[in-house]
Amino acid sequence: QKEVEQNSGPLSVPEGAIASLNCTYSDRGSQSFFWYRQYSGKSPELIMSIYSNGDKEDGRFTAQLNKASQYVSLLIRDSQPSDSATYLCAVILGNEKLTFGTGTRLTIIP
Amino acid sequence: GAVVSQHPSRVICKSGTSVKIECRSLDFQATTMFWYRQFPKQSLMLMATSNEGSKATYEQGVEKDKFLINHASLTLSTLTVTSAHPEDSSFYICSATRLAGATYEQYFGPGTRLTVT
Repeated sequence: QKEVEQNSGPLSVPEGAIASLNCTYSDRGSQSFFWYRQYSGKSPELIMSIYSNGDKEDGRFTAQLNKASQYVSLLIRDSQPSDSATYLCAVILGNEKLTFGTGTRLTIIP
Repeated sequence: GAVVSQHPSRVICKSGTSVKIECRSLDFQATTMFWYRQFPKQSLMLMATSNEGSKATYEQGVEKDKFLINHASLTLSTLTVTSAHPEDSSFYICSATRLAGATYEQYFGPGTRLTVT
């Protein structure tokens, strides 16, 4: 079982709709959870971090964490074509090293 | 957010030569820096963990004598690809961690695209 799992996609969402990205992790000791956005040919960009159960909102982005289910998600409201990218879920177990999922490729259809 | 720079952004070198890539945290002191490599359409692969003043920790399968890492200060780490070969052509990305409350947030540099001819 992979430590961090994501559906590789591609996930296609109409412009203006809500894009929902999901991630599960295997280690219950995971403490911190992150979502990165990576455009093709570019490096990852940190867009959300979450550490406690529940929701965390930042602009059009909402991260949701459920430690009991070992599940973390990212919602993007009012999706824009510029949101088209690969979204990487990452967790930290105890030190500073990130464990990444393979990423979900999101395409927003105008 | 925190800013991490990398230099150069692109480099082309001949087979057998060495290439040095610099990674700097511009507006914070990084507790740790990491070096990644990414081949086209593949995931990020962690190469090594770098701490200021100590030897880097390399991931399994990464040759420490080929990929030399020096972490001279809390804001600068360098990766030198020695005796580069075409198979070393890749996108090299560094990151730096910053303490955010009780946890760490990791910020990535813009990456260096290395082409070995």
